Amino acid sequence: EAQVTQNPRYLITVTGKKLTVTCSQNMNHEYMSWYRQDPGLGLRQIYYSMNVEVTDKGDVPEGYKVSRKEKRNFPLILESPSPNQTSLYFCASGRGPQVRGDTQYFGPGTRLTVL
Amino acid sequence: AQSVAQPEDQVNVAEGNPLTVKCTYSVSGNPYLFWYVQYPNRGLQFLLKYITGDNLVKGSYGFEAEFNKSQTSFHLKKPSALVSDSALYFCAVRALNRDDKIIFGKGTRLHILP
Repeated sequence: EAQVTQNPRYLITVTGKKLTVTCSQNMNHEYMSWYRQDPGLGLRQIYYSMNVEVTDKGDVPEGYKVSRKEKRNFPLILESPSPNQTSLYFCASGRGPQVRGDTQYFGPGTRLTVL
Repeated sequence: AQSVAQPEDQVNVAEGNPLTVKCTYSVSGNPYLFWYVQYPNRGLQFLLKYITGDNLVKGSYGFEAEFNKSQTSFHLKKPSALVSDSALYFCAVRALNRDDKIIFGKGTRLHILP
């Protein structure tokens, strides 16, 4: 089954404790992206990757890191989480903007609470 | 700069009635337009898209959307609402220029009342 998986689905942590949210896709997609969803703000892009070893900032990259060492994986790293990073996070993948009308496939989401 | 507006935070519709969820956009050049749906505790799912051609686009679950270039709108519609249509709906746009980023609207929560 074609899917995007994220782990963990739920996480409660404390300020400053480094964490990683994993994302994996089995569709051989070149493009992967991380979004955060906040009430009243919709989805905002954090980082995206056009291919292995190619990453770029989205609209709200501050406080986050990503890496793309393998095509299928795109982990999101919070080196020193803060309460304003409490949010619902989604990973997505697709063939990329170079493919006309490409649609994105989303993971189930990770609800992060930073105390 | 490109943008997407969903003017209604919430839409309430009685079951069996037609529904409309509004979306307007602003881009330079021709847009690719999308609708996604998010059910509780789930990720976003693709519903339909407009690339080119017929202005009326049909998608999953009986939904359709009409692209109106003069009004820069892409409203989502369904002739007869079901309670199971209750969800959060996102409109998104991708412009065909150097910055091919996809921009999502803030979402509209649709409540179908039994």
